[in-house]
Amino acid sequence: NAGVMQNPRHLVRRRGQEARLRCSPMKGHSHVYWYRQLPEEGLKFMVYLQKENIIDESGMPKERFSAEFPKEGPSILRIQQVVRGDSAAYFCASSPGTGAQPQHFGDGTRLSIL
Amino acid sequence: QKEVEQDPGPLSVPEGAIVSLNCTYSNSAFQYFMWYRQYSRKGPELLMYTYSSGNKEDGRFTAQVDKSSKYISLFIRDSQPSDSATYLCAMAGGDSWGKLQFGAGTQVVVTP
Repeated sequence: NAGVMQNPRHLVRRRGQEARLRCSPMKGHSHVYWYRQLPEEGLKFMVYLQKENIIDESGMPKERFSAEFPKEGPSILRIQQVVRGDSAAYFCASSPGTGAQPQHFGDGTRLSIL
Repeated sequence: QKEVEQDPGPLSVPEGAIVSLNCTYSNSAFQYFMWYRQYSRKGPELLMYTYSSGNKEDGRFTAQVDKSSKYISLFIRDSQPSDSATYLCAMAGGDSWGKLQFGAGTQVVVTP
């Protein structure tokens, strides 16, 4: 499968727990992006990463949220001490390089907070 | 005011009709523009990608960019029920090439 892979597809957490969302980019892509889609809202940019570097995190909430893209393995979006308002669909996208490169999306992780 | 404005619809058309979608934007730094299609419970699927002003055609899809008016359009010819989905415009440029700004999405329903 050459597409962007996200797992899990669905994640249920209780308030106060941690959520870890994983994203493997398309083969040959070295740039990863995370977006959040709230019910009845559009996609909102969160963070842009290259291997071992955060390029733009201007859309990340200041607390509880972090992202990484290690040298080996998938990109991880981590949400600590989740709250009800974190319930959303989280999408990962990847592109082959910098500049005006189209981004290709995975099917997302739907996070539900009980 | 949002940077990217898109009518949420729904837009209902009969099968075979032309679907016309559009977005307006306020940031003159935007230079590349995309249209995505999103089915329910799935991720956005890239349909069209254009850089700067002009027209681009791919099969039944035509994308137009008018930078002077800050207005982009997507046309779908010979629409099919399988085209029923939400269509998202997205754009970026300036200092933030990787940060796509999305419209809210237009829900399209093609009736047989």
